[in-house]
Amino acid sequence: DTAVSQTPKYLVTQMGNDKSIKCEQNLGHDTMYWYKQDSKKFLKIMFSYNNKELIINETVPNRFSPKSPDKAHLNLHINSLELGDSAVYFCASSQDPTAYEQYFGPGTRLTVT
Amino acid sequence: AQSVTQLDSQVPVFEEAPVELRCNYSSSVSVYLFWYVQYPNQGLQLLLKYLSGSTLVKGINGFEAEFNKSQTSFHLRKPSVHISDTAEYFCAVSVWNQGGKLIFGQGTELSVKP
Repeated sequence: DTAVSQTPKYLVTQMGNDKSIKCEQNLGHDTMYWYKQDSKKFLKIMFSYNNKELIINETVPNRFSPKSPDKAHLNLHINSLELGDSAVYFCASSQDPTAYEQYFGPGTRLTVT
Repeated sequence: AQSVTQLDSQVPVFEEAPVELRCNYSSSVSVYLFWYVQYPNQGLQLLLKYLSGSTLVKGINGFEAEFNKSQTSFHLRKPSVHISDTAEYFCAVSVWNQGGKLIFGQGTELSVKP
């Protein structure tokens, strides 16, 4: 059983399009995160939700909108895609915001052409 | 604000040799420290963490790290590496009241050669 899963694994799209990435965790965790890994492999947090409530919202363009329909799911919708959005996006989860082990998904490689 | 610096972007080493991956952090408050490993085309996996207590922390796959508060360092070590340890290694910090946010270093690419 995959603990944290993401779909799709690869996403190739053109500038200006709107796309979504989905994340699901079956660990029973309360907290989920989105991280962005750029071409130099630098990882930076984007958002975090705890019990469907947004608790971390880093400086991210408002074209990025996370949505948590329930505790087990955290989706990322991106409007008007730009070349600079090309990256690997990782979803992660933890028991709660104070639990210091985060479980990462396999990543979604987004390529904007 | 917190920051993490991994002092080596690439570390080549021969199989069965010891290795140390260096990590320094900056913070005005107490932090928790982590090492994650990322194998090619995979997500990140927690190797070990320091939250409190003994400054020598043992993790999975034979790795260990030592927290040095005076030098603000958390270096990762392994006495004998295997080919399968070839991966990207990330040092990270978090602060207790920041919702679990992890702040990562730039990563160190460990390349183990036969």
